[in-house]
Amino acid sequence: DVQMTQSPYNLAASPGESVSINCKASKSISKYLAWYQQKPGKANKLLIYDGSTLQSGIPSRFSGSRSGTDFTLTIRSLEPEDFGLYYCQQHNEYPFTFGSGTKLEIK
Amino acid sequence: QVTLKESGPGILQPSQTLSLTCTFSGFSLSTYGMGVGWIRQPSGKGLEWLANIWWDDDKSYNPSLKNRLTISQDTSNNQAFLKITYVDTADTATYYCTRTDRYNYGYVMDAWGQGASVSVSS
Repeated sequence: DVQMTQSPYNLAASPGESVSINCKASKSISKYLAWYQQKPGKANKLLIYDGSTLQSGIPSRFSGSRSGTDFTLTIRSLEPEDFGLYYCQQHNEYPFTFGSGTKLEIK
Repeated sequence: QVTLKESGPGILQPSQTLSLTCTFSGFSLSTYGMGVGWIRQPSGKGLEWLANIWWDDDKSYNPSLKNRLTISQDTSNNQAFLKITYVDTADTATYYCTRTDRYNYGYVMDAWGQGASVSVSS
């Protein structure tokens, strides 16, 4: 199985700031990395797939990038509704595997 | 609008079989590229992909649980099902139903249900 190492575990930031969340695959997954947002009481939301493709309806302050097996989710100009849990997922091969999650909290 | 809703027993005892139902709307599982899957999350922990079923009735399972999982569908009623045999306390989790539109987005979960909480306890 492809192991996804996600960091940091916790992240605190203020509205208006920019943050980055990282995910490293244990082997090549090409560009096939997705990012999800999880918030209490809401359905999980797909933010980005194929490493950098923004899902329809997701604000452009979210962006994804890739360098080899290292992937980064960047959120510019944080809005209050951006706080929550974020997970990466490799969608290159079975079994699909997720990172351990990053909790983005208000500072 | 795509919606998915999970339903299950809530509580069951060790060694029983867990049966989950996903009722969805806004798409058809008979459409090329479509799939419905299951993902679970123990409280306070991460996400684990379990299985997917596809428009052509192909099925994919997580090898770590493969012998215990059975996924199926009822296309005419827009439902998908997951059975997990011989449950134990480690199967206590929230179980999510997801949609995958392989043709447009690849193997990602572009829609999720709210989740069904399952507790295994004697």
